[in-house]
Amino acid sequence: SYELTQPLSVSVALGQTARITCGGNNIGSKNVHWYQQKPGQAPVLVIYRDSNRPSGIPERFSGSNSGNTATLTISRAQAGDEADYYCQVWDSSTVYVVFGGGTKLTVL
Amino acid sequence: QVQLVQSGAEVKKPGASVKVSCKASGYTFTSYYMHWVRQAPGQGLEWMGIINPSGGSTSYAQKFQGRVTMTRDTSTSTVYMELSSLRSEDTAVYYCARADINYYYMDVWGKGTTVTVSS
Repeated sequence: SYELTQPLSVSVALGQTARITCGGNNIGSKNVHWYQQKPGQAPVLVIYRDSNRPSGIPERFSGSNSGNTATLTISRAQAGDEADYYCQVWDSSTVYVVFGGGTKLTVL
Repeated sequence: QVQLVQSGAEVKKPGASVKVSCKASGYTFTSYYMHWVRQAPGQGLEWMGIINPSGGSTSYAQKFQGRVTMTRDTSTSTVYMELSSLRSEDTAVYYCARADINYYYMDVWGKGTTVTVSS
């Protein structure tokens, strides 16, 4: 089965750029989606199809996907960006959704 | 506005079944798939399966096959997820999430239903 690998945690200084990776075999050939989840809340879609932002998501959030790694980039990080972030793909070979294990973002 | 309203918290004994509902509003119910995702305490997101409200077809994660059933009622724009033979490890928050039919991303989520399995 297809697997997605994320770092357990990422730290970023206030106002700097955070990068959260999502690794998978030839993930560049798949559409990657990213979710933000704050404590006690449901996840929120922040990036879909590698690099598209839903309405209401700040331009500070961006995404890229190539080769074996997809990346969520958060520019000018704010305290409110502290959350868990999950990547997700649709594995067409198994007709399953796959989530990464999640990354906890800490803004210092 | 687009909304998914889930049923309330449940407490069940091991071996029992639970049925969680998710009522959709603000969009054409049959134009989007619906995922079910769960999250155990302190853990990550776990995909359970997907239902096409239009025809009722389903696809379940292998881990839950034989224990989970997803259904829908188009007259009330509601989808249901029933999980049987509950065990303590099924204690989790269960979410429904609307799915884009081409790329399967989840753009609208319910607030979640807490299911506690305890003797």
